[in-house]
Amino acid sequence: EIVLTQSPTTIAASPGEKVTITCRASSSVSYMYWYQQKPGASPKPWIYDTSKLASGVPNRFSGSGSGTSYSLTINTMETEDAATYYCQQWSSTPLTFGSGTKLEIK
Amino acid sequence: EVQLVESGGGLVQPGRSLKLSCAASGFTFSNYGMAWVRQTPTKGLEWVASISTGGGNTYYRDSVKGRFTISRDNAKNTQYLQMDSLRSEDTATYYCARLRGHWFAYWGQGTLVTVSS
Repeated sequence: EIVLTQSPTTIAASPGEKVTITCRASSSVSYMYWYQQKPGASPKPWIYDTSKLASGVPNRFSGSGSGTSYSLTINTMETEDAATYYCQQWSSTPLTFGSGTKLEIK
Repeated sequence: EVQLVESGGGLVQPGRSLKLSCAASGFTFSNYGMAWVRQTPTKGLEWVASISTGGGNTYYRDSVKGRFTISRDNAKNTQYLQMDSLRSEDTATYYCARLRGHWFAYWGQGTLVTVSS
C-alpha cells in the first residue's frame, strides 16, 4: 500500500501570504489528486492529474510534482481558503489518501 | 446538476448488517464507475470499494473483503453497499462518489454508520 504523508499537519497563514502543502508518497505515483474539505461538508475535488484545477477552483491555486513528491500551492491566501486539504493517489491499489493538512487563517 | 444522495445509515450492533444506497441524478449513471469512501476522525479518508460501469468489476479494500458487497442498478440510477458482519472499526461517515478516471469528481453528503452495542 502506498502511504501518503502530508506536511505540515496544520498551518496558519495570513491573508495575502503564499502557502505550500506537501504530499510525499512511499512509492512513485503517476498523478496526485487533491480535495478541499470544510467542517460539516463533503470533500470537494480541487486539483486533478497533479496540476489541473477542478471546476470553480480559483487560479490562485496550483499543483505540481512528480514521482514521490507533490505539492499544492496557494499564491495569495484568502479567508475562504481555510479548510483541510487531502491528497490522493490511485497509481496502485488500494487507492489511498493523505491524512490531511489543516489550513487556518492567522 | 450532478447529485448523489446516500441513505441507509444508522446505529447497528456488531455482527449485524446494513445496506447503504446512493441515488444518482444529473448525469448518465451507467457511463461512470462509482465508489464508496468512508471517513473517521482518527483514520481520515479511506477508500472502501469501487464498481465498474456495468457492475461486472468490483474492488475492495482488504479490511472489508468478504464482508462488504458493492453493487449497482443502472435502471434505477442507484448504487449500493451491503455491509455484513459489521465491526466497531467500520463506524464512519460513508460517502458515495462518482469516479472520473482515478479520482472522485463528485461526492454525496454522506451517511453516518455507527456500529455499537
